[in-house]
Amino acid sequence: GALVYQYPRRTICKSGTSMRMECQAVGFQATSVAWYRQSPQKTFELIALSTVNSAIKYEQNFTQEKFPISHPNLSFSSMTVLNAYLEDRGLYLCGARDGTVNERLFFGHGTKLSVL
Amino acid sequence: QQQVRQSPQSLTVWEGETAILNCSYEDSTFDYFPWYRLFPGESPALLIAIRPVSNKKEDGRFTIFFNKREKKLSLHITDSQPGDSATYFCAAYTGGADRLTFGKGTQLIIQP
Repeated sequence: GALVYQYPRRTICKSGTSMRMECQAVGFQATSVAWYRQSPQKTFELIALSTVNSAIKYEQNFTQEKFPISHPNLSFSSMTVLNAYLEDRGLYLCGARDGTVNERLFFGHGTKLSVL
Repeated sequence: QQQVRQSPQSLTVWEGETAILNCSYEDSTFDYFPWYRLFPGESPALLIAIRPVSNKKEDGRFTIFFNKREKKLSLHITDSQPGDSATYFCAAYTGGADRLTFGKGTQLIIQP
């Protein structure tokens, strides 16, 4: 079956440092990968949408300089949170779309980021 | 502006009752509405979904009622079980933009 492995599941970083999270699609081709953040008490906000062979589209309030994303092939994507501060705390989720199954996103388990 | 709104924020029902979770949206270009269930520590799992061409979608104990004119939909969980306790997210997808917008979720608690 189709799965998305996301790691690490949890991470703690010092304020001002950076951390990277990765997603691996298994059993399907991830033609697009969306990265979301769930801040405490909030919904899942779309950070950016990455489609293979297209430019990465960042949502308002999110930038490539802060959240650089790599999507080098149809099975892997990574996102880095640069210079993390308290407001970056939350659950980061990747959702990968199978190009053969419209609208259906397969989600990873999320990366919970804590910032000290 | 919140594009997808959910209510209530939290809902408690007794086991065996029907839980009703509400959702409304703003954007008429949304063309697919999935509901996701999220258990703590797990990834969001697709529960059931509907397209605007239908006004009802049923899958076992889960039913979506859809009102396109009012831009509202609701998820009904009949014969609710303690194992249904989770956070439920209504989402809306725009195929043209390839993006999924989530509501803030409803925390459902089923009391035995």
